[in-house]
Amino acid sequence: EVQLLESGGGLVQPGGSLRLSCAVSGITFGTYGMNWVRQAPGKGLEWVSSISGNGGGTYYADSVKGRFTISRDNSENTLYLQMNSLTAEDTAIYYCAKFGVGSDCNSAFCYGNFDYWGQGTLVTVSS
Amino acid sequence: EVVLTQSPGTLSLSPGERATLSCRASLSVRSNYLAWYQQKPGQAPRLLISGASNRAPGIPDRFSGSGSGTDFTLTISRLEPDDFAVYYCQHFAFSRCTFGQGTKLEIK
Repeated sequence: EVQLLESGGGLVQPGGSLRLSCAVSGITFGTYGMNWVRQAPGKGLEWVSSISGNGGGTYYADSVKGRFTISRDNSENTLYLQMNSLTAEDTAIYYCAKFGVGSDCNSAFCYGNFDYWGQGTLVTVSS
Repeated sequence: EVVLTQSPGTLSLSPGERATLSCRASLSVRSNYLAWYQQKPGQAPRLLISGASNRAPGIPDRFSGSGSGTDFTLTISRLEPDDFAVYYCQHFAFSRCTFGQGTKLEIK
Protein backbone atom coordinates (compact mmCIF):
# COMPACT_ATOMS: atom_id res chain seq x y z
CA GLU A 1 0.00 0.00 0.00
CA VAL A 2 1.35 3.38 -1.01
CA GLN A 3 1.44 5.87 1.85
CA LEU A 4 2.59 9.49 2.00
CA LEU A 5 2.80 11.23 5.36
CA GLU A 6 3.61 14.90 5.65
CA SER A 7 4.99 16.59 8.75
CA GLY A 8 6.65 19.81 9.79
CA GLY A 9 3.79 22.24 9.47
CA GLY A 10 2.92 24.78 12.13
CA LEU A 11 2.73 28.46 13.00
CA VAL A 12 5.58 30.65 11.81
CA GLN A 13 6.07 34.41 11.80
CA PRO A 14 6.27 36.39 8.56
CA GLY A 15 9.80 36.26 7.22
CA GLY A 16 10.44 32.97 8.95
CA SER A 17 11.37 29.54 7.66
CA LEU A 18 9.97 26.05 7.88
CA ARG A 19 10.93 22.66 6.48
CA LEU A 20 8.26 20.18 5.52
CA SER A 21 8.86 16.45 5.18
CA CYS A 22 6.94 13.73 3.38
CA ALA A 23 7.71 10.14 4.34
CA VAL A 24 6.81 7.70 1.58
CA SER A 25 6.30 3.94 1.79
CA GLY A 26 4.98 1.18 -0.44
CA ILE A 27 6.92 2.17 -3.57
CA THR A 28 10.47 2.21 -4.86
CA PHE A 29 10.75 5.86 -3.95
CA GLY A 30 13.67 6.84 -6.14
CA THR A 31 11.83 5.67 -9.24
CA TYR A 32 9.20 8.38 -9.04
CA GLY A 33 9.08 12.11 -9.39
CA MET A 34 7.33 13.87 -6.54
CA ASN A 35 5.43 17.09 -5.96
CA TRP A 36 4.22 19.62 -3.46
CA VAL A 37 0.75 21.13 -3.92
CA ARG A 38 -0.85 23.62 -1.54
CA GLN A 39 -4.35 24.80 -0.75
CA ALA A 40 -5.05 28.05 1.04
CA PRO A 41 -8.01 27.96 3.45
CA GLY A 42 -11.23 27.75 1.48
CA LYS A 43 -9.40 28.05 -1.85
CA GLY A 44 -8.40 25.81 -4.73
CA LEU A 45 -5.30 23.77 -5.44
CA GLU A 46 -1.98 25.41 -6.34
CA TRP A 47 1.05 23.53 -7.60
CA VAL A 48 4.20 24.49 -5.71
CA SER A 49 7.10 22.35 -6.89
CA SER A 50 8.22 19.09 -8.50
CA ILE A 51 11.37 17.01 -8.37
CA SER A 52 12.62 14.15 -10.52
CA GLY A 53 13.27 10.68 -9.13
CA ASN A 54 17.01 11.19 -8.74
CA GLY A 55 16.66 14.79 -7.60
CA GLY A 56 18.45 16.13 -10.65
CA GLY A 57 15.48 18.11 -11.93
CA THR A 58 13.59 20.62 -9.79
CA TYR A 59 10.73 22.88 -10.86
CA TYR A 60 8.89 25.68 -9.09
CA ALA A 61 5.84 27.85 -9.38
CA ASP A 62 6.69 31.52 -9.90
CA SER A 63 5.05 32.36 -6.57
CA VAL A 64 7.70 30.41 -4.61
CA LYS A 65 10.75 30.48 -6.87
CA GLY A 66 13.80 31.74 -5.02
CA ARG A 67 12.17 31.20 -1.62
CA PHE A 68 11.33 27.48 -1.56
CA THR A 69 13.64 24.52 -2.22
CA ILE A 70 12.45 21.01 -2.95
CA SER A 71 14.76 18.09 -2.25
CA ARG A 72 14.67 14.38 -1.51
CA ASP A 73 16.62 11.69 0.29
CA ASN A 74 16.09 8.45 -1.58
CA SER A 75 17.93 6.45 1.09
CA GLU A 76 15.32 7.65 3.62
CA ASN A 77 12.32 7.60 1.23
CA THR A 78 11.61 11.20 2.18
CA LEU A 79 10.68 14.33 0.27
CA TYR A 80 11.36 17.80 1.65
CA LEU A 81 10.27 21.37 1.10
CA GLN A 82 12.41 24.10 2.63
CA MET A 83 10.38 27.31 2.83
CA ASN A 84 12.08 30.64 3.51
CA SER A 85 10.90 34.26 3.62
CA LEU A 86 7.37 33.15 4.38
CA THR A 87 4.45 35.53 4.00
CA ALA A 88 0.78 35.34 4.91
CA GLU A 89 0.07 34.30 1.32
CA ASP A 90 1.94 31.04 1.98
CA THR A 91 -0.63 30.00 4.60
CA ALA A 92 -2.08 26.74 3.33
CA ILE A 93 -2.33 23.01 3.67
CA TYR A 94 0.68 21.53 1.93
CA TYR A 95 0.25 18.16 0.24
CA CYS A 96 2.93 15.91 -1.16
CA ALA A 97 1.90 13.90 -4.19
CA LYS A 98 3.45 11.20 -6.35
CA PHE A 99 3.54 11.29 -10.12
CA GLY A 100 1.25 8.71 -11.69
CA VAL A 101 1.12 6.56 -14.81
CA GLY A 102 1.72 8.54 -17.95
CA SER A 103 3.93 11.04 -16.16
CA ASP A 104 7.58 11.80 -16.48
CA CYS A 105 9.88 14.10 -14.59
CA ASN A 106 13.59 14.34 -15.28
CA SER A 107 16.33 16.92 -15.43
CA ALA A 108 14.90 18.45 -18.61
CA PHE A 109 11.13 18.53 -18.06
CA CYS A 110 8.17 17.37 -16.02
CA TYR A 111 4.64 16.47 -16.99
CA GLY A 112 1.80 14.29 -15.81
CA ASN A 113 -0.69 13.66 -13.06
CA PHE A 114 -0.66 12.88 -9.34
CA ASP A 115 -1.98 9.47 -8.33
CA TYR A 116 -1.22 9.36 -4.61
CA TRP A 117 -1.47 12.20 -2.11
CA GLY A 118 -0.68 12.63 1.54
CA GLN A 119 -3.22 14.03 3.97
CA GLY A 120 -1.44 17.35 4.16
CA THR A 121 0.22 19.51 6.78
CA LEU A 122 -1.01 22.98 7.71
CA VAL A 123 1.35 25.94 7.53
CA THR A 124 0.15 29.15 9.10
CA VAL A 125 2.17 32.34 8.62
CA SER A 126 1.09 34.94 11.13
CA SER A 127 2.49 37.27 13.74
CA GLU B 1 1.13 29.25 -18.93
CA VAL B 2 -2.14 27.45 -19.56
CA VAL B 3 -5.12 28.87 -17.66
CA LEU B 4 -7.92 26.42 -16.94
CA THR B 5 -11.45 27.76 -16.45
CA GLN B 6 -14.01 25.42 -14.97
CA SER B 7 -17.76 25.82 -15.26
CA PRO B 8 -20.12 26.00 -13.65
CA GLY B 9 -18.71 27.18 -10.35
CA THR B 10 -21.44 25.31 -8.50
CA LEU B 11 -23.68 22.57 -9.85
CA SER B 12 -26.80 21.56 -7.92
CA LEU B 13 -28.19 18.16 -8.82
CA SER B 14 -30.00 15.23 -7.26
CA PRO B 15 -28.74 11.65 -6.80
CA GLY B 16 -29.40 9.63 -9.92
CA GLU B 17 -29.01 12.63 -12.24
CA ARG B 18 -26.21 13.13 -14.75
CA ALA B 19 -23.50 15.70 -14.07
CA THR B 20 -21.50 17.43 -16.77
CA LEU B 21 -18.50 19.50 -15.66
CA SER B 22 -16.49 21.63 -18.07
CA CYS B 23 -12.83 22.61 -18.16
CA ARG B 24 -11.68 25.07 -20.80
CA ALA B 25 -8.00 25.73 -21.50
CA SER B 26 -6.69 29.13 -22.57
CA LEU B 27 -4.82 27.47 -25.43
CA SER B 28 -4.90 24.10 -27.10
CA VAL B 29 -3.32 21.35 -25.00
CA ARG B 30 -2.49 17.71 -25.56
CA SER B 31 -5.07 15.42 -24.01
CA ASN B 32 -2.48 13.29 -22.27
CA TYR B 33 -1.62 16.22 -20.01
CA LEU B 34 -5.16 16.77 -18.71
CA ALA B 35 -6.39 15.18 -15.45
CA TRP B 36 -9.42 15.40 -13.14
CA TYR B 37 -9.50 15.17 -9.34
CA GLN B 38 -12.21 14.86 -6.72
CA GLN B 39 -11.83 16.46 -3.31
CA LYS B 40 -14.12 16.01 -0.34
CA PRO B 41 -14.06 18.28 2.73
CA GLY B 42 -11.09 17.61 4.96
CA GLN B 43 -9.55 15.15 2.52
CA ALA B 44 -6.75 15.18 -0.01
CA PRO B 45 -7.64 15.24 -3.69
CA ARG B 46 -8.13 11.92 -5.45
CA LEU B 47 -7.15 11.25 -9.04
CA LEU B 48 -10.18 10.31 -11.15
CA ILE B 49 -9.08 10.68 -14.76
CA SER B 50 -5.70 10.99 -16.46
CA GLY B 51 -4.94 11.62 -20.11
CA ALA B 52 -8.35 13.31 -20.41
CA SER B 53 -10.25 10.00 -20.59
CA ASN B 54 -8.45 7.25 -18.67
CA ARG B 55 -10.05 6.27 -15.39
CA ALA B 56 -7.63 5.79 -12.52
CA PRO B 57 -7.62 2.37 -10.82
CA GLY B 58 -10.65 1.82 -8.61
CA ILE B 59 -12.68 4.68 -10.09
CA PRO B 60 -16.25 3.59 -10.92
CA ASP B 61 -17.24 3.54 -14.57
CA ARG B 62 -19.96 6.14 -13.96
CA PHE B 63 -17.08 8.64 -14.16
CA SER B 64 -15.89 9.44 -17.68
CA GLY B 65 -13.70 12.07 -19.24
CA SER B 66 -13.66 13.40 -22.75
CA GLY B 67 -12.50 16.28 -24.87
CA SER B 68 -9.57 17.63 -26.79
CA GLY B 69 -7.89 20.87 -27.71
CA THR B 70 -9.29 23.50 -25.38
CA ASP B 71 -12.51 21.86 -24.18
CA PHE B 72 -12.66 18.97 -21.74
CA THR B 73 -15.56 17.40 -19.88
CA LEU B 74 -15.99 15.22 -16.82
CA THR B 75 -19.27 13.34 -16.83
CA ILE B 76 -20.80 11.47 -13.93
CA SER B 77 -23.54 9.36 -15.43
CA ARG B 78 -25.70 8.64 -12.36
CA LEU B 79 -24.87 10.62 -9.26
CA GLU B 80 -24.51 8.79 -6.00
CA PRO B 81 -24.51 10.54 -2.59
CA ASP B 82 -20.75 9.97 -2.30
CA ASP B 83 -20.08 11.95 -5.50
CA PHE B 84 -20.98 15.34 -4.06
CA ALA B 85 -17.64 17.08 -3.74
CA VAL B 86 -15.38 19.60 -5.46
CA TYR B 87 -13.84 18.64 -8.80
CA TYR B 88 -10.65 20.09 -10.27
CA CYS B 89 -9.09 19.77 -13.68
CA GLN B 90 -5.31 19.95 -14.01
CA HIS B 91 -2.82 20.49 -16.79
CA PHE B 92 0.85 19.66 -16.28
CA ALA B 93 3.19 19.95 -19.24
CA PHE B 94 6.41 21.74 -20.16
CA SER B 95 7.29 21.73 -16.45
CA ARG B 96 4.36 23.98 -15.53
CA CYS B 97 1.30 22.81 -13.68
CA THR B 98 -2.03 24.58 -13.32
CA PHE B 99 -5.36 23.67 -11.77
CA GLY B 100 -8.79 24.96 -12.60
CA GLN B 101 -10.59 26.87 -9.86
CA GLY B 102 -12.90 23.93 -9.18
CA THR B 103 -16.56 23.02 -9.59
CA LYS B 104 -18.56 22.33 -6.45
CA LEU B 105 -21.12 19.59 -7.00
CA GLU B 106 -23.82 19.94 -4.36
CA ILE B 107 -26.99 18.09 -3.54
CA LYS B 108 -30.12 19.84 -4.78
